[in-house]
Amino acid sequence: EAQVTQNPRYLITVTGKKLTVTCSQNMNHEYMSWYRQDPGLGLRQIYYSMNVEVTDKGDVPEGYKVSRKEKRNFPLILESPSPNQTSLYFCAAGVHSYEQYFGPGTRLTVT
Amino acid sequence: GDSVTQMEGPVTLSEEAFLTINCTYTATGYPSLFWYVQYPGEGLQLLLKATKADDKGSNKGFEATYRKETTSFHLEKGSVQVSDSAVYFCALSHLGGGNKLTFGTGTQLKVEL
Repeated sequence: EAQVTQNPRYLITVTGKKLTVTCSQNMNHEYMSWYRQDPGLGLRQIYYSMNVEVTDKGDVPEGYKVSRKEKRNFPLILESPSPNQTSLYFCAAGVHSYEQYFGPGTRLTVT
Repeated sequence: GDSVTQMEGPVTLSEEAFLTINCTYTATGYPSLFWYVQYPGEGLQLLLKATKADDKGSNKGFEATYRKETTSFHLEKGSVQVSDSAVYFCALSHLGGGNKLTFGTGTQLKVEL
């Protein structure tokens, strides 16, 4: 079964405490991407990766980092989280944008 | 830049009613158009897509036609069910350019018995 998994699903943390949200896919897709979903704004792309060791900024990359050391994993790193990064985060994987598979989401609260 | 505009929600319908969710877009060139659905507590799933003008995407009783002249991709279903209650997102993408999906803000659909 095609699957994108994210961990953790829920996270409450404090300002400035570094955190990592993991994303893993079992479909061997080259393309992976991170989005954040906020009320009234829809989904906005944070970072994307076209292949191993190839990453680039999306529309809202400030305050985030990513890495793509292996094809299946694409972690999202918040070095110093702030309250404005409280959001619902989705990882996606696909051959291309035509058919992306989304993970179940990670709800992050930064206090 | 690209943008997608969807009708505001929530949309509340009775079971077996006809559904239309409006979507218009602004983009250069010839984007591909998509509808994604998000059921409560889940990630987004691709519902249907259309890759060129006049194409009709369809799936699970839902349909949408790519209208380049009106830059629209309205979602329709002839008879909704309670199980269709979800948030629906219209989106577009260009080949290349990071393959980014540009989403609308989403429209929540509630279907009641």
